[in-house]
Amino acid sequence: EMQLVESGGGLVQPGRSLRLSCTASGFPFEDYAMHWVRQIPGAGLEWVSGISWNSVRMDYAASVRGRFTISRDNANNSLYLQMNNLRIEDTALYYCAKDMSGGFAAAENWGQGILVMVSS
Amino acid sequence: DIVMTQSPLSLSVTPGEPASISCRSNQSLLRSNGYNYLDWYLQKPGQSPQLLIYLGSHRASGVPDRFSGSGSGTDFTLKISRVEAEDVGFYYCMQALQTPVTFGPGTKVDIK
Repeated sequence: EMQLVESGGGLVQPGRSLRLSCTASGFPFEDYAMHWVRQIPGAGLEWVSGISWNSVRMDYAASVRGRFTISRDNANNSLYLQMNNLRIEDTALYYCAKDMSGGFAAAENWGQGILVMVSS
Repeated sequence: DIVMTQSPLSLSVTPGEPASISCRSNQSLLRSNGYNYLDWYLQKPGQSPQLLIYLGSHRASGVPDRFSGSGSGTDFTLKISRVEAEDVGFYYCMQALQTPVTFGPGTKVDIK
């Protein structure tokens, strides 16, 4: 069974850092692009970042570029999001999602999400 | 960035009746390979989003055939032929033609 499990969220002060992880199982992780998508409770979906199957292509939303870094470890079926200089407006539920292709086409499967709360 | 809009933003439907949601982009989502990079997602209450339609008109695995997607270029439509109670939630369109990937604002569907 395909599974995506996020971890690493929690409460953090503005300006601090967090590293989110997403552990994948049940599919050949190395073949698929991956995404991070976030959702402020009660609001819509915002794409945060994506990475191609081979890490050649990475990109970010303007709101996080320069502060967040996406990476993956295909040997360990893991996706990461290093979040630095966190802001209050980064507070959201963060989803890890598997693309249906090696590039960016559609977020075919989603994790349950992990809450990141930035507050003093 | 490609801007996505949806209409209506809210829809109340009688079970068994059809429903339709429109999604528009400010740039064509048609790539040279002939595919429109437009997807539809449903987020049911308390759940993660789920993929319904990919590349404009292709139904995702396990999605009931009452859901269909159509359109090309900048104008797309999601149709539900006969709404069921389990179809309530927020529907989002998303473009994956170029980064940053962008979502529409969402359409809330509930049952009358």
